[in-house]
Amino acid sequence: DADVTQTPRNRITKTGKRIMLECSQTKGHDRMYWYRQDPGLGLQLIYYSFDVKDINKGEISDGYSVSRQAQAKFSLSLESAIPNQTALYFCATSDVPGGAGQETQYFGPGTRLLVL
Amino acid sequence: QQPVQSPQAVILREGEDAVINCSSSKALYSVHWYRQKHGEAPIFLMILLKGGEQKGHDKISASFNEKKQQSSLYLTASQLSYSGTYFCGTEPTGNQFYFGTGTSLTVIP
Repeated sequence: DADVTQTPRNRITKTGKRIMLECSQTKGHDRMYWYRQDPGLGLQLIYYSFDVKDINKGEISDGYSVSRQAQAKFSLSLESAIPNQTALYFCATSDVPGGAGQETQYFGPGTRLLVL
Repeated sequence: QQPVQSPQAVILREGEDAVINCSSSKALYSVHWYRQKHGEAPIFLMILLKGGEQKGHDKISASFNEKKQQSSLYLTASQLSYSGTYFCGTEPTGNQFYFGTGTSLTVIP
């Protein structure tokens, strides 16, 4: 079984709709992340969480919100979807076994979102 | 704070070598390298810690020059399976992670 899972894997929605993307992990990591990737571009950080009570905005948090329901679950919501939020969304987890600077990220399979 | 990679894209024939560079404007704790196949999740390749170390992973190796805030990924005797987009990742503060701009690598027969 995959260590980091995302649901749904593909989603089509209409402008103005609220949608939620879910991420679950069995790695036991405290840190979780949401990224978006636009075609041909790099990964942009939306939100990150270092534990259940610690949630931080990333580079492009406007239009998104998150919820860390448990150590293993981190959800991303688009309150009112718009077409330029069409992208590939990745969830990732990490631990820092050796302290600062030694973080390794493990990615989920991604969710393809199309906003019409 | 996003690190800059060069080149943006490279096409190789099987067996040729390539170098991908990653440059940061900030002092770094570490540099990571990831590879992403089209439509798939990025996969971790290696991490280099400050201290100017060099690491190898089969025929893929990397170096980290902390004084210059640069890292280079070396792919030797490239194989078709090396095709993908390579990202460096940096941690300037130890608290937040930044992915680079990406380098698309295509290996052709």
